[in-house]
Amino acid sequence: EVQLVESGGDLVNPGGSLRLSCAASGFTFNNAWMSWVRQAPGKGLEWVGRIKSKADGGTTDYAAPVKGRFTISRDESKDTLYLQMNSLKTEDTAVYYCTTDGITIFGVPMDVWGKGTTVTVSS
Amino acid sequence: QSVLTQPPSASGTPGQRVTISCSGSISNIGSNYVYWYQQLPGTAPKLLMYRNNQRPSGVPDRFSGSKSGTSASLAISGLRSEDEADYYCATWDDSLSGRVFGTGTKVTVL
Repeated sequence: EVQLVESGGDLVNPGGSLRLSCAASGFTFNNAWMSWVRQAPGKGLEWVGRIKSKADGGTTDYAAPVKGRFTISRDESKDTLYLQMNSLKTEDTAVYYCTTDGITIFGVPMDVWGKGTTVTVSS
Repeated sequence: QSVLTQPPSASGTPGQRVTISCSGSISNIGSNYVYWYQQLPGTAPKLLMYRNNQRPSGVPDRFSGSKSGTSASLAISGLRSEDEADYYCATWDDSLSGRVFGTGTKVTVL
């Protein structure tokens, strides 16, 4: 069974940093493109960014609000996806979801989702 | 702010048909596939429709999708109480070089 388990969410001060992790299992992580999506309290979904598989270059794309502050990376030896968040702002407060791209259906984005981890940015 | 516009709410009685629209532009819906996600209360989103009108395994055929030009729609026929959820459209935007979601539609079963 494909599983994604996020962790690392916490309460952090504005301007601070936090690293989220997403432990993957049930599929070949090396081959997977992965994405992060967030949802602010009571709001809609917002795509944060994605990372391609190393075989496809391992490149990243980011949404404009987080570009230059957030970094997505992956560790194939641990089957884990990361989201490094720096210079956090109150508007980054959200539940952060880890998702796979094309694991259950080839080429289909965000086909499997984790349960999410909560990040609160507040002083 | 999202580049894809959905009505904030839609409702119907059990058995009725409800349609949700998703309006975009040539750089997103007009050039790429549309996907739909269902988010039941208190849970993570789930893929509901892919490549405009394809249902993943396990999704009832009461759900159907379509796309025309720069708009897409999701229809739920034979509405059931378990369909009460938030629904989001999504696609890639060539101008933004990123994925975009719709504003979301809350479906209520009266």
